[in-house]
Amino acid sequence: NAGVTQTPKFQVLKTGQSMTLQCAQDMNHEYMSWYRQDPGMGLRLIHYSVGAGITDQGEVPNGYNVSRSTTEDFPLRLLSAAPSQTSVYFCASSGRTGGAVNTEAFFGQGTRLTVV
Amino acid sequence: AQKITQTQPGMFVQEKEAVTLDCTYDTSDQSYGLFWYKQPSSGEMIFLIYQGSYDEQNATEGRYSLNFQKARKSANLVISASQLGDSAMYFCAMRITGGGNKLTFGTGTQLKVEL
Repeated sequence: NAGVTQTPKFQVLKTGQSMTLQCAQDMNHEYMSWYRQDPGMGLRLIHYSVGAGITDQGEVPNGYNVSRSTTEDFPLRLLSAAPSQTSVYFCASSGRTGGAVNTEAFFGQGTRLTVV
Repeated sequence: AQKITQTQPGMFVQEKEAVTLDCTYDTSDQSYGLFWYKQPSSGEMIFLIYQGSYDEQNATEGRYSLNFQKARKSANLVISASQLGDSAMYFCAMRITGGGNKLTFGTGTQLKVEL
């Protein structure tokens, strides 16, 4: 049972570099989302998707892009990394039973990103 | 907009005692769900318990129960018979029905279980 897989687990970037954080789930879930976790601030929603081809912004979208070409994958792109993007990033997915979103959201292990 | 407030940055409890972690929420929506997640020092997010806004009974999962008081907009987590392995950060979160997978999190409570 792979669940939600995030890669890489750790990454150091220089200011101005771009990179993609990968997220894949094997549960055929419709809903996927990206969060960042900063000390003392809990998790904040960056972008989310309600299905392949459909994405929308969350609370803190600036500096990040997403796309969802398949149900399984939801990559997060940092366009030009800044020190303020140093954080731990989590990807999450949820399925649906009948008309309702399932109660449990499955989280990946997280990516610890440092921008220097 | 939704807001989750956790007012206890840190809590201590003795092993085998019960502990209550506070969570209050603010929303104008009538249909929503409330969650608690545990984050141990290893960093993963572990789902503990869920309460729907229309659920009449308080949710329970093993040693975890959710004390849901809708009129007061509170959703406190009660951990009974604390164990050393319960030492972790605990997050309360909310999801609005029809909002997909969008969770709004509180700032968390760091729980330390002592011998």
